[in-house]
Amino acid sequence: DAGVIQSPRHEVTEMGQEVTLRCKPISGHDYLFWYRQTMMRGLELLIYFNNNVPIDDSGMPEDRFSAKMPNASFSTLKIQPSEPRDSAVYFCASSRDRATNEKLFFGSGTQLSVL
Amino acid sequence: QKEVEQNSGPLSVPEGAIASLNCTYSDRGSQSFFWYRQYSGKSPELIMSIYSNGDKEDGRFTAQLNKASQYVSLLIRDSQPSDSATYLCAVTRYGQNFVFGPGTRLSVLP
Repeated sequence: DAGVIQSPRHEVTEMGQEVTLRCKPISGHDYLFWYRQTMMRGLELLIYFNNNVPIDDSGMPEDRFSAKMPNASFSTLKIQPSEPRDSAVYFCASSRDRATNEKLFFGSGTQLSVL
Repeated sequence: QKEVEQNSGPLSVPEGAIASLNCTYSDRGSQSFFWYRQYSGKSPELIMSIYSNGDKEDGRFTAQLNKASQYVSLLIRDSQPSDSATYLCAVTRYGQNFVFGPGTRLSVLP
């Protein structure tokens, strides 16, 4: 299994530009999560999907952030317009279900720098 | 407010010693507990899970859970420099999202 695949690994952009992060979950995993990690706030859940449907987006910081999952093997997280405070590492993770013993598998992350 | 707390560290131990990492959580209904290791610049990687009170051993790692005290710990025996990383405690219950602690940075000195 290839694991959770994210792209790009690094993204450097200027304030005001649109940024799109991509994720391919592990095949057969019904849950997909987007996390953001910063030194100050640690690992924060932004949004998660179950069977391609967004279930909880309460962690999305503001309307500039949006996420989609058009099919079981692909999800995007978009920031438009981007701001310097969005600079962080964005992780995608997937799991098979929400049973208590079900583990999260993380992708390698996207290091986003907004100048 | 559901919270998971950890000492941020850094926790420094000499090579070969036992490293003890601690985690407390506020949600008494929590059912599953995980330890993730994160090397600098890398993604979190699951190293241990524990679901019932007591100890669970896996190689050099031992997870300890005490639900009455709302406390979970990770012991690393015979610590190696390659164990130097940030260790994240994660807690969840059925149907709920994982709640991660801020992580403890461990430094194993050769």
